Amino acid sequence: AQSVTQPDIHITVSEGASLELRCNYSYGATPYLFWYVQSPGQGLQLLLKYFSGDTLVQGIKGFEAEFKRSQSSFNLRKPSVHWSDAAEYFCAVVPGGYNKLIFGAGTRLAVHP
Amino acid sequence: EAQVTQNPRYLITVTGKKLTVTCSQNMNHEYMSWYRQDPGLGLRQIYYSMNVEVTDKGDVPEGYKVSRKEKRNFPLILESPSPNQTSLYFCASSLRTSGRVNNEQFFGPGTRLTVL
Repeated sequence: AQSVTQPDIHITVSEGASLELRCNYSYGATPYLFWYVQSPGQGLQLLLKYFSGDTLVQGIKGFEAEFKRSQSSFNLRKPSVHWSDAAEYFCAVVPGGYNKLIFGAGTRLAVHP
Repeated sequence: EAQVTQNPRYLITVTGKKLTVTCSQNMNHEYMSWYRQDPGLGLRQIYYSMNVEVTDKGDVPEGYKVSRKEKRNFPLILESPSPNQTSLYFCASSLRTSGRVNNEQFFGPGTRLTVL
């Protein structure tokens, strides 16, 4: 079945450590790819998006993501995590021929001081 | 300030009592959508609208209705709520270009609904 998979439900990192959140999709044609962040009690905010071109995209708050077509992945990275990055992160895709965002189940990030 | 607003933010109701959750955006966006968020499932689309008077079902439309009479408003209607509709609901809007919906979707703050 077509899907968006975020394999890690919870991740805990220490402040200052690097971070990588995984996202895989199973749609045939290259979809449009997004990462959103949801802070506690808040709506969703777009971190970054990929449509085409350079496979390494920069976003807000120091995040970046790399599209790897061969692995059907769009992993989110940050070199040094801050305590304020604790939140839930959602990968989302707009598949070819569709007019909707399809979300992964989310990864909840905890940051230890 | 550009924003998507939802009302109410919190609602506790009983089975069968019709309710409406309002959504309004001030960005002149063509595309609007409703999602529900449940633990472990992420966000799932309920209904979406490509423009005024144009609506279509998402992945989980059963038990919900929508209307799009004005560009800025996209209310979600639960004619006869049931406990399995207890969830966190988000409205979103975006510009719509030709082809896929590929612009940033702006999300409202969410409505937490409990159906007893």
